[in-house]
Amino acid sequence: DGGITQSPKYLFRKEGQNVTLSCEQNLNHDAMYWYRQDPGQGLRLIYYSQIVNDFQKGDIAEGYSVSREKKESFPLTVTSAQKNPTAFYLCASSPPGTRTIGELFFGEGSRLTVL
Amino acid sequence: ILNVEQSPQSLHVQEGDSTNFTCSFPSSNFYALHWYRWETAKSPEALFVMTLNGDEKKKGRISATLNTKEGYSYLYIKGSQPEDSATYLCAFFTGTASKLTFGTGTRLQVTL
Repeated sequence: DGGITQSPKYLFRKEGQNVTLSCEQNLNHDAMYWYRQDPGQGLRLIYYSQIVNDFQKGDIAEGYSVSREKKESFPLTVTSAQKNPTAFYLCASSPPGTRTIGELFFGEGSRLTVL
Repeated sequence: ILNVEQSPQSLHVQEGDSTNFTCSFPSSNFYALHWYRWETAKSPEALFVMTLNGDEKKKGRISATLNTKEGYSYLYIKGSQPEDSATYLCAFFTGTASKLTFGTGTRLQVTL
């Protein structure tokens, strides 16, 4: 079945450690996104990529890094510079659009807890 | 920073009740309005992508309307069922930077 796979679902890390969250899609979508969810807030965009080897900062990119070496993969690294890394992280992709963004297809998310 | 507001924050209805939620967004620079349903422990899934003022979309018992001039969209659920229990998110797209701005969602609980 086509879809987006995020791993791991749950992750615990000590403060000061970098963590990489995996996101893989087999939908053949060009665009991929990382969102963060915190209680009482809407999903906030961390980074997005519209094409392989290119990515852009979203609204809350500080303390995060990404790569897009393959169309199918868009891993997110939460670095030790991220001040409040404990959150729920969602990866998404969308089919190519012209003037508007197509519907997003989401993974099931990864919950990161920093101890 | 764009402000997308959803109301109510949460809603508790009985099976068979019809209900509706509101999404408010800036009326300028409108390109698209998305609605998503997010069930617990699952992925959010798209319900509607709306682009035209006056647009009405329907999927089964769920429908949505769009007013871009005044900056709001309504989501209606007719005859709510327990399986409709979820958080409903709306998201606004201005056409720049390929990014959606999400509201905080309306959490619906439908009981028997």
